[in-house]
Amino acid sequence: NAGVTQTPKFRVLKTGQSMTLLCAQDMNHEYMYWYRQDPGMGLRLIHYSVGEGTTAKGEVPDGYNVSRLKKQNFLLGLESAAPSQTSVYFCASSYSSIVTYEQYFGPGTRLTVT
Amino acid sequence: AQSVSQHNHHVILSEAASLELGCNYSYGGTVNLFWYVQYPGQHLQLLLKYFSGDPLVKGIKGFEAEFIKSKFSFNLRKPSVQWSDTAEYFCAVNARNTGFQKLVFGTGTRLLVSP
Repeated sequence: NAGVTQTPKFRVLKTGQSMTLLCAQDMNHEYMYWYRQDPGMGLRLIHYSVGEGTTAKGEVPDGYNVSRLKKQNFLLGLESAAPSQTSVYFCASSYSSIVTYEQYFGPGTRLTVT
Repeated sequence: AQSVSQHNHHVILSEAASLELGCNYSYGGTVNLFWYVQYPGQHLQLLLKYFSGDPLVKGIKGFEAEFIKSKFSFNLRKPSVQWSDTAEYFCAVNARNTGFQKLVFGTGTRLLVSP
């Protein structure tokens, strides 16, 4: 069981470039999430998905798009990167049951936009 | 909107000192409460969680937290910290009014334990 994996681990982009971050989970979780972590601001939810083919906006969705074409994968796209998107990005997943509503996190992707 | 407050942004302790990190949330309905820990260079890991029942919850590595509904608080405690507890600690809440779908995180508390 690999849990939640993220690709890539590090990336440097120039302003205006695009990229896609990949999150994969092998726990058959229904829900998946993308967060960004910035110093002094905790984790903020970008987008999330409650099932294959569904996505929803979180707290800070602007400048990002997502897709959940397969249950095990959740992609985060930056169409035109900006320095304000320099951050550490975490993916997470969870079951849909209220009883065990714990999120499992990936190792993170450190993105720098110059 | 829900919010989670962690008032201590940085805490420095010596080994064997007792720890209490504060967490308050703003939502008045049914909530689930979590503490996550992030060791340097690592991803977030669940420390403990409260869904219902006994308001005193015990987690891994000797940590515990107490849910006090009347104070909207879920403070994290450990009687005697170790150097290996140096990490960032996040309180998080999800609520029935969002179908328990979304976690709202506090801004985190950085704990430094000196040997």
